[in-house]
Amino acid sequence: SQQGEEDPQALSIQEGENATMNCSYKTSINNLQWYRQNSGRGLVHLILIRSNEREKHSGRLRVTLDTSKKSSSLLITASRAADTASYFCATDDRSNYQLIWGAGTKLIIKP
Amino acid sequence: DTGVSQDPRHKITKRGQNVTFRCDPISEHNRLYWYRQTLGQGPEFLTYFQNEAQLEKSRLLSDRFSAERPKGSFSTLEIQRTEQGDSAMYLCASSEGYEQYFGPGTRLTVT
Repeated sequence: SQQGEEDPQALSIQEGENATMNCSYKTSINNLQWYRQNSGRGLVHLILIRSNEREKHSGRLRVTLDTSKKSSSLLITASRAADTASYFCATDDRSNYQLIWGAGTKLIIKP
Repeated sequence: DTGVSQDPRHKITKRGQNVTFRCDPISEHNRLYWYRQTLGQGPEFLTYFQNEAQLEKSRLLSDRFSAERPKGSFSTLEIQRTEQGDSAMYLCASSEGYEQYFGPGTRLTVT
C-alpha cells in the first residue's frame, strides 16, 4: 500500500529557481527518506531524516520533517537541468526495515 | 564493489510462461528487497530477506510469485504463469541500515 503522498504530482520550473516538494504519510515512523529516480541512474537515495530531527541539509537539498503533521518537505535550491527526475518519499514500517513509498513528484527543470 | 546488479534488464514473454529474475546485492549488505513499479507510481513492496530468511511478503503477492535467497547472497524472483498485469519494472535493493541501494531493474513485458 502507498503510505506517502507527494505534492505536487508534477512541477516545472526554470533552471536556477528553487523547487519544493511535499510528502504526507499516515503512521508513526522511525525515519523518512527521499529518493530520486531518472532514466539514466535509476532510484538513488538522497537523504534520510530521523523522527527526532526537524531539519537536515545535504548540499543543495534541505529536508524538513513535522511529525505532528506527518509531513515532510524537500527543497532543492538553485536547480539544474540534471535535477530533472521523479522524487519519492519513503517511510519505514516501524516493525521492520520495509519502506512504504508515495507516487512521487515529477520535476522538470527548463533551461 | 559496483553496486546492485540485476539480470536480465529486459524480458519479453508470452502470457502463461514462467520467468525468473536475478539480483546480486552489494556484498556486505544483509538485507535484500524486491519491489514492483508501474509507470507513474512509486515502488510497491513485494518481499524482503535478511540474510537467507524471507521475513516479509506482501499480501498483494499472489502464489504465482516466489523468491529465494540461497546462502544469503544473490536472490531470484520467479513468476509462474505470467499474466499481462505482471508487466512492470521489477526492482531489487539491498541495505545494511535504513538506506536502500537499488539495481537498474528488470523490465518485464507480458504479451
